[in-house]
Amino acid sequence: DAGVIQSPRHEVTEMGQEVTLRCKPISGHNSLFWYRQTMMRGLELLIYFNNNVPIDDSGMPEDRFSAKMPNASFSTLKIQPSEPRDSAVYFCASTPASYNEQFFGPGTRLTVL
Amino acid sequence: AQTVTQSQPEMSVQEAETVTLSCTYDTSESDYYLFWYKQPPSRQMILVIRQEAYKQQNATENRFSVNFQKAAKSFSLKISDSQLGDAAMYFCAYRSARGSGGSNYKLTFGKGTLLTVNP
Repeated sequence: DAGVIQSPRHEVTEMGQEVTLRCKPISGHNSLFWYRQTMMRGLELLIYFNNNVPIDDSGMPEDRFSAKMPNASFSTLKIQPSEPRDSAVYFCASTPASYNEQFFGPGTRLTVL
Repeated sequence: AQTVTQSQPEMSVQEAETVTLSCTYDTSESDYYLFWYKQPPSRQMILVIRQEAYKQQNATENRFSVNFQKAAKSFSLKISDSQLGDAAMYFCAYRSARGSGGSNYKLTFGKGTLLTVNP
């Protein structure tokens, strides 16, 4: 079975550019999570969806960040405009309703110059 | 809000020895789940072990076991017979058991403990 798929695996961009990170959850999983990992702040939850509906976006740092889940098999996290302090590893995770654990994707390493 | 604290930023262990990683958490809830995740250099997050708060018995998965002390809000991970492949960052995480239909499934993570295994 394919796990959570994230693309791209690495992204290098310049300050001010728009960045779009993509995630395909495991088929049948109805909850999807976006996390950010930095040395300073560790792993932080940005937003999560249940049945394609955003449940909690209190972790989204500011209006430059937005996330969508147009269907059960796809989600995007967009940063516009990007800033150097957005440099981090962004993880997507999914889980079915009956499970306790979350299944993580391989992450996207974002570098904003 | 729940918080998770891992007081050991780094630990080291000799191959084949036993090491214990510490985790404490703060919550006012009585029902919840606790997890240990492993993150090797590949950065993939891998579930090591889980514990349901309503269970008194400590969870065990092969060489990995936990010491769950609910009253003390402590959840330590013991790795026995350490192997070189155990070298990784280890994260403790908390999840509330309240809510339904995905309304409260988010994980709160500690800052992690970097484990080095010496040959």
